Amino acid sequence: EAGVTQFPSHSVIEKGQTVTLRCDPISGHDNLYWYRRVMGKEIKFLLHFVKESKQDESGMPNNRFLAERTGGTYSTLKVQPAELEDSGVYFCASSPLAGGHNEQFFGPGTRLTVL
Amino acid sequence: AQKVTQAQTEISVVEKEDVTLDCVYETRDTTYYLFWYKQPPSGELVFLIRRNSFDEQNEISGRYSWNFQKSTSSFNFTITASQVVDSAVYFCAPLYNQGGKLIFGQGTELSVKP
Repeated sequence: EAGVTQFPSHSVIEKGQTVTLRCDPISGHDNLYWYRRVMGKEIKFLLHFVKESKQDESGMPNNRFLAERTGGTYSTLKVQPAELEDSGVYFCASSPLAGGHNEQFFGPGTRLTVL
Repeated sequence: AQKVTQAQTEISVVEKEDVTLDCVYETRDTTYYLFWYKQPPSGELVFLIRRNSFDEQNEISGRYSWNFQKSTSSFNFTITASQVVDSAVYFCAPLYNQGGKLIFGQGTELSVKP
């Protein structure tokens, strides 16, 4: 069974540019989460999808971040325009809908560098 | 606010030593879950264990063991006879709402030297 995949693995962009990160959850997992780790700090929650609906987006830092999950399968996280403080590692995780306390399976992360 | 504290930022031990990673959390919830994840140098987050707040039995899995003390809101992780491959960043992460977000600590970077 394939795990959570994320694309790209690395992205280097200049301040003001746009970047789109993609996450493919484990097949059949209705819960999808985005987290990020900035500059060696703790990993922080960004948002949570249940299927295609945003269940909790309380962690989204500002309106430069836009997440979508069309059709309830893969998800994208767009940063527009990117700022220096957006640099970090963005993780995606998924879990089955049933049993909400189950393990969240994490992808390998996308390392974003904004110059 | 619900938070989790991993007071040890970095720990360095020599192979075969035992090491304990501390985790203290804050919550007013009566039902919650506690997780530990490992982030090796390759970068992915690897699930280690999940405990629920009703089960205070300590758990052992090979060289790994966990001590859950609800009275002190702690969920400490011990590696016995550490190995170089244990070198990683370890995160403690409570989950307070079923299906919701994990609250991660800052992580403890463990370095095991040969």
